[in-house]
Amino acid sequence: AQSVSQHNHHVILSEAASLELGCNYSYGGTVNLFWYVQYPGQHLQLLLKYFSGDPLVKGIKGFEAEFIKSKFSFNLRKPSVQWSDTAEYFCAVNSNFGNEKLTFGTGTRLTIIP
Amino acid sequence: DADVTQTPRNRITKTGKRIMLECSQTKGHDRMYWYRQDPGLGLRLIYYSFDVKDINKGEISDGYSVSRQAQAKFSLSLESAIPNQTALYFCAVRTSNMNTEAFFGQGTRLTVV
Repeated sequence: AQSVSQHNHHVILSEAASLELGCNYSYGGTVNLFWYVQYPGQHLQLLLKYFSGDPLVKGIKGFEAEFIKSKFSFNLRKPSVQWSDTAEYFCAVNSNFGNEKLTFGTGTRLTIIP
Repeated sequence: DADVTQTPRNRITKTGKRIMLECSQTKGHDRMYWYRQDPGLGLRLIYYSFDVKDINKGEISDGYSVSRQAQAKFSLSLESAIPNQTALYFCAVRTSNMNTEAFFGQGTRLTVV
C-alpha cells in the first residue's frame, strides 16, 4: 500500500528564516503529489501539486517543492517564512496503485515566532 | 457559497447514540471522500465513493457507514458512537481525473461523551 512519511512533527522558526519540510512516499510507480496547508481552525487548502514535467513546482504564497524520484521525496520549501505561515502542513500522494485514494502524511505543525 | 458544505460544523453526542454527518457539493465532481483527523495522526480515510453505486472502505471504516444519496451528497453515519470517535471529520471531493486536487469541506468537530 502507498504511504507517506513526514518526519518533522513540529517545527519552530523565527520570521525570515528558511523552511524545508520533508516528505517521503513509498510507492515507486507513477504518483501525483500534493502539499496542503491547514491554518488554525480552518479546512485544508492546496499549496501546490506535482503531476509531471518540471520537478520543481511553485505554489501559492511563495512556497515551492521539489520532486526527487530517486529519493521518493517531495520536500516543501520557502526561502523566508512569515508569521502568517503558522499552520499545519500535510503531504499527500495518490496513484493508480492506490486505487485513487489520496493518502496523507501525519502532518507537520509549523510555528513562526515574530 | 462554499463548494463543499458539511453539516453540522460542531456536534456533541453521547456514547451509544446514532449520528449522521452530511456533505454536499456544488462542484459536480463524482469522487467523494470522508476522512477523520486526529492530532499526530494526520488524515485517515474512512470511506470513499466514485459514484452513487460505488462505495469503498478506507483504512478505518469499522464503526462507520456511508450513504451516497445523490452525486452531490455523501453522508457518514456512526451507528453507535463511542468516545474514540471524537475527532475532526472532513469531506473531500475530486474529479475522476487523477491529475486534479481534492477540495475539502470546512470540517465537522465531533465530540462523543
